Amino acid sequence: DTGVSQDPRHKITKRGQNVTFRCDPISEHNRLYWYRQTLGQGPEFLTYFQNEAQLEKSRLLSDRFSAERPKGSFSTLEIQRTEQGDSAMYLCASSLAVSGEKLFFGSGTQLSVL
Amino acid sequence: DQQVKQNSPSLSVQEGRISILNCDYTNSMFDYFLWYKKYPAEGPTFLISISSIKDKNEDGRFTVFLNKSAKHLSLHIVPSQPGDSAVYFCAASAGGGSEKLVFGKGMKLTVNP
Repeated sequence: DTGVSQDPRHKITKRGQNVTFRCDPISEHNRLYWYRQTLGQGPEFLTYFQNEAQLEKSRLLSDRFSAERPKGSFSTLEIQRTEQGDSAMYLCASSLAVSGEKLFFGSGTQLSVL
Repeated sequence: DQQVKQNSPSLSVQEGRISILNCDYTNSMFDYFLWYKKYPAEGPTFLISISSIKDKNEDGRFTVFLNKSAKHLSLHIVPSQPGDSAVYFCAASAGGGSEKLVFGKGMKLTVNP
């Protein structure tokens, strides 16, 4: 399967703990995106990378959030000192840096903060 | 504020009939629009897109119509099939590409056999 892969699928943590999610994009895609989706809402943009460069971050991405994409391949999203409001589905997507190119989404990581 | 609005949370249609899903947007800078379909426990899957230089794009049973003056787009599914039952998201971007998509809240479509 050559789709976007996310790990883990589910994560339950206690408030105050740190969590890290991983995303493996489609291999030839040079753009990688992180979105967050809460119940009853559409996905909200968090950040995106072109190769290893993080080109844009949403104001939703507080200081407790950090994303990396070393070597322009896989990406990690870390949340420090988790809060109950961080509970959401975290979606990763990838695309080619071509105008009009669609995003391919992974199945997401469902985070529950207790 | 919600820049992309899907005002109807759900729609139920009979198999074989037409499904019409509506979407409104407020940002006049948006120039590229997409529809995504999402099944439970899966990520959104791209369905169809349209650039602002067009007013219609067709792909098999799916057609998207864009009315720029009204800032409105719609997705038509003809004929509807039970497998089309899913949540449909309208999304938009400025700058002609798929980066930083702004999504609506989604609409749940149920196609009854």
